[in-house]
Amino acid sequence: NAGVTQTPKFQVLKTGQSMTLQCAQDMNHEYMSWYRQDPGMGLRLIHYSVGAGITDQGEVPNGYNVSRSTTEDFPLRLLSAAPSQTSVYFCASSSPGQGTEKLFFGSGTQLSVL
Amino acid sequence: DQQVKQNSPSLSVQEGRISILNCDYTNSMFDYFLWYKKYPAEGPTFLISISSIKDKNEDGRFTVFLNKSAKHLSLHIVPSQPGDSAVYFCAAYAGGTSYGKLTFGQGTILTVHP
Repeated sequence: NAGVTQTPKFQVLKTGQSMTLQCAQDMNHEYMSWYRQDPGMGLRLIHYSVGAGITDQGEVPNGYNVSRSTTEDFPLRLLSAAPSQTSVYFCASSSPGQGTEKLFFGSGTQLSVL
Repeated sequence: DQQVKQNSPSLSVQEGRISILNCDYTNSMFDYFLWYKKYPAEGPTFLISISSIKDKNEDGRFTVFLNKSAKHLSLHIVPSQPGDSAVYFCAAYAGGTSYGKLTFGQGTILTVHP
């Protein structure tokens, strides 16, 4: 069981470039979410989805876009990268049957925007 | 507005002694609290949780205490082991429509010395 898989692990972008962070889970979890981790800030929720076709904004959604076409995949798109988006990004999933608050996290994507 | 705060950025303890990590919250709507543990280059992993209807939950060496009147919770690790060295995040969750949306503290770096 792979759990939650994130790609790439590392990425360097120039200001204004766009990219997609990939996230896939093989646990058939309904709930998926994206967090960013910054020094002194903990993890902050960017976007989340409670099922295929349903997404909503979290605490810090600006500059990011998401879609959920399948249960397994939840990509995060940076539309026009800015240095303020330099961060470590974590994708997570959970299931009501196991407690929606008990998130399973991927290993993260470290993004640098120059 | 930091709704969940971990005021100690770091904690250093000797192997075999007790580690106490603290967390404060401001949102009275939070009714479920969790601790996550994170090693470098990995995603956070769920450690232990407590519902607001309880004041203590124990799992092996880990015990979480909740003081609702003070809006304070703590994680006790007894005895501490070098493998416990990691970043510990406190998180909170308001049930109902907050389905799986966690609010995290800033994290505390625990170092357990042999």
